[in-house]
Amino acid sequence: NAGVMQNPRHLVRRRGQEARLRCSPMKGHSHVYWYRQLPEEGLKFMVYLQKENIIDESGMPKERFSAEFPKEGPSILRIQQVVRGDSAAYFCASSPLPDRVQETQYFGPGTRLLVL
Amino acid sequence: DQQVKQNSPSLSVQEGRISILNCDYTNSMFDYFLWYKKYPAEGPTFLISISSIKDKNEDGRFTVFLNKSAKHLSLHIVPSQPGDSAVYFCAASESGNNNDMRFGAGTRLTVKP
Repeated sequence: NAGVMQNPRHLVRRRGQEARLRCSPMKGHSHVYWYRQLPEEGLKFMVYLQKENIIDESGMPKERFSAEFPKEGPSILRIQQVVRGDSAAYFCASSPLPDRVQETQYFGPGTRLLVL
Repeated sequence: DQQVKQNSPSLSVQEGRISILNCDYTNSMFDYFLWYKKYPAEGPTFLISISSIKDKNEDGRFTVFLNKSAKHLSLHIVPSQPGDSAVYFCAASESGNNNDMRFGAGTRLTVKP
């Protein structure tokens, strides 16, 4: 029973390029959450998606960031025209339940983005 | 604004002794609190939780204490083991929903053999 998969695990981009981060939730989970962890800080909620729907994107920066969770395939977090400040660890989590906070959120290993 | 604070970035204890990790919060509307454990190169994994109607929750070697009046919670690990060495994140939720969890910056625990 594979856990939450994220790829790539490490991603290096130059300023102005695009970064695409992928997340495959656990089998049977249809709810995906993206978090960002800046150096020396905790995880910050970015966006909550269900299949083909963005439910809550209140934590997403207004520009350059977008997320999707198509009917087929992984969830994608896309960052356009990356800047150095985007360098962080991006974690994806999935849950089988609609939105309750109990211990049912499972995290992936993260993608570490470095912008040169 | 940092609504959940873990003021100690690191903690070192001897194997067999008690580890106490602390967490403070500012939002009095938080009503559910969780601790996550994170090993290097892995994602956080859920450890233990407590709702605001309780002041203590115990699971084996792990106990979480909640002091609502002080807006403070702590995680006690006793006895500490070298395998407990990890970063511990405190998290809190106001609505009970996954999408409003707020995390602290983490405390790196090192348990020395």
